[in-house]
Amino acid sequence: EPEVTQTPSHQVTQMGQEVILRCVPISNHLYFYWYRQILGQKVEFLVSFYNNEISEKSEIFDDQFSVERPDGSNFTLKIRSTKLEDSAMYFCASRATSGALYNEQFFGPGTRLTVL
Amino acid sequence: AQRVTQPEKLLSVFKGAPVELKCNYSYSGSPELFWYVQYSRQRLQLLLRHISRESIKGFTADLNKGETSFHLKKPFAQEEDSAMYYCALLFSGGYNKLIFGAGTRLAVHP
Repeated sequence: EPEVTQTPSHQVTQMGQEVILRCVPISNHLYFYWYRQILGQKVEFLVSFYNNEISEKSEIFDDQFSVERPDGSNFTLKIRSTKLEDSAMYFCASRATSGALYNEQFFGPGTRLTVL
Repeated sequence: AQRVTQPEKLLSVFKGAPVELKCNYSYSGSPELFWYVQYSRQRLQLLLRHISRESIKGFTADLNKGETSFHLKKPFAQEEDSAMYYCALLFSGGYNKLIFGAGTRLAVHP
């Protein structure tokens, strides 16, 4: 069964450094999402991406964040200058455009980002 | 504003006991609700969606629009049900982002 994959599983970085979190969505999916979960808090929506552009973003997703689909398979989240409060688990998700599972989002295993 | 509330952080039961994980929502449109489960060190997985009205692993959930609830129930809990359970609301006003509740940890003891 196809799955969303994410790399790395854990990223440790110094405050102010740039990080890129990578995701490979399910191959025939065209909607992509990033969510994050700060330890002990709820899963929060960051951004959705469709047709090579951001379709919606939350107030968390400020100018320090960007997303990109650099090729036909990867979907990346870049944080330009990390802050301590960016430490969280970041989940990528994708969903199909049609079919019985149209509204189901499939999640990756997450990347734990630790900012020191 | 759209919101999902899961009032219990932890629900602790013994094997064989009934389980009810509470979820209430606030949404002005026609709601579409899901339950996601996260077993230890695994990814979020869809457990149930209200529109399919199915039973997965013995769990059921009924949407009650009058009470704005979507509680998850199982008549006889098993140890392998121990996990984090998240109720989520599909916000279809945009590109179908999910709004999650805070989650409830279910611990089933032998």
